Amino acid sequence: AQSVTQPDIHITVSEGASLELRCNYSYGATPYLFWYVQSPGQGLQLLLKYFSGDTLVQGIKGFEAEFKRSQSSFNLRKPSVHWSDAAEYFCAVGNSGYSTLTFGKGTMLLVSP
Amino acid sequence: DTGVSQDPRHKITKRGQNVTFRCDPISEHNRLYWYRQTLGQGPEFLTYFQNEAQLEKSRLLSDRFSAERPKGSFSTLEIQRTEQGDSAMYLCASSSDSISYNEQFFGPGTRLTVL
Repeated sequence: AQSVTQPDIHITVSEGASLELRCNYSYGATPYLFWYVQSPGQGLQLLLKYFSGDTLVQGIKGFEAEFKRSQSSFNLRKPSVHWSDAAEYFCAVGNSGYSTLTFGKGTMLLVSP
Repeated sequence: DTGVSQDPRHKITKRGQNVTFRCDPISEHNRLYWYRQTLGQGPEFLTYFQNEAQLEKSRLLSDRFSAERPKGSFSTLEIQRTEQGDSAMYLCASSSDSISYNEQFFGPGTRLTVL
């Protein structure tokens, strides 16, 4: 069965500092990987996705993620965090772009002044 | 493209009452999904439809839950005899399998509170 682990429940980053959110997955075949962001009381917005090809993928809002098959990881990064990035971030895995998704428990990002 | 919409956005009910939620997917999307998200957790899959056919149901979907998508467009999720443990955010998403690398687009969710 597929699973996703996000080891960090909360992370606090100073505005302007760099960010890395960790995601490890367990999946038997080639995974389709996603990062979603959720602001309080809102639905999920897709930040980026990895299906195949270049292992470094660019997303919206200046985010990027790197797929590392050997480490079963898909970590999300941003070089300079803005206060508006404060939200909850979810990593997810599926077996296609339109299959059902398995989500991690999320990482809450707090941005300090 | 107006996105995925859900109605209502919030629902407060008393234990034992029935509730129904509606989801309108993106118009050209033939796949529709329901997820449930409890506090401090990521979304968990409940069920999905391809057109009007319900193809998969999670073990989380007890017999008090029923979902329909009668004409392959909007979908409803009904919970009968609600329990306090049903309190959660219910998320709907849609996608298309006519595009190989498409993803799921999520609605804003319906937050259910059972008193």
